[in-house]
Amino acid sequence: AQSVTQLGSHVSVSEGALVLLRCNYSSSVPPYLFWYVQYPNQGLQLLLKYTTGATLVKGINGFEAEFKKSETSFHLTKPSAHMSDAAEYFCAVSGLSGSARQLTFGSGTQLTVLP
Amino acid sequence: NAGVTQTPKFQVLKTGQSMTLQCAQDMNHEYMSWYRQDPGMGLRLIHYSVGAGITDQGEVPNGYNVSRSTTEDFPLRLLSAAPSQTSVYFCASTFDRASGEQYFGPGTRLTVT
Repeated sequence: AQSVTQLGSHVSVSEGALVLLRCNYSSSVPPYLFWYVQYPNQGLQLLLKYTTGATLVKGINGFEAEFKKSETSFHLTKPSAHMSDAAEYFCAVSGLSGSARQLTFGSGTQLTVLP
Repeated sequence: NAGVTQTPKFQVLKTGQSMTLQCAQDMNHEYMSWYRQDPGMGLRLIHYSVGAGITDQGEVPNGYNVSRSTTEDFPLRLLSAAPSQTSVYFCASTFDRASGEQYFGPGTRLTVT
């Protein structure tokens, strides 16, 4: 079984400030980890993913995340927030469910960017 | 490719009514899933399918039925709608079977009164 905890359901940052969204996971198998973004009234869009290899992964729109096995974390960062980053962000872990890999999502973090 | 499409975009039902949420994908993906999204709860898996003719239950299957007669289509049926089924429903198809990465449709916002 797997689970995801996102610390902070709401995060506010000023435009130009560092964005840090926290995600911790548990998994009984080596995890595959994802960050998705959801803009208002839209579906989920993949930001980035970690499967194997380099633990620092870069995604779209300047976001990156680092897989830290010892801390069971996969925090999302962006050096400088932009107004267009305001959205809800979901961390997810992929685990085996029967014969298929299924995603288990965290409860989401709403990011507000202040002018 | 149109990707994953869902219809309708919005729907209002009365308690006890039935309806089918439609989902289709044109990417020839074998794996498809249905999720519901509720505030503060993220996305929860309702049902999924690993191929035509094969479906299985997810975390919250009660009150929902699915079938998969073709690779392209994966409809979700509410047999007798309840206010607790008010939610946003997302269909997804698995882009990468090895990792489980999924591609999501735009969603259906359902209100049950």
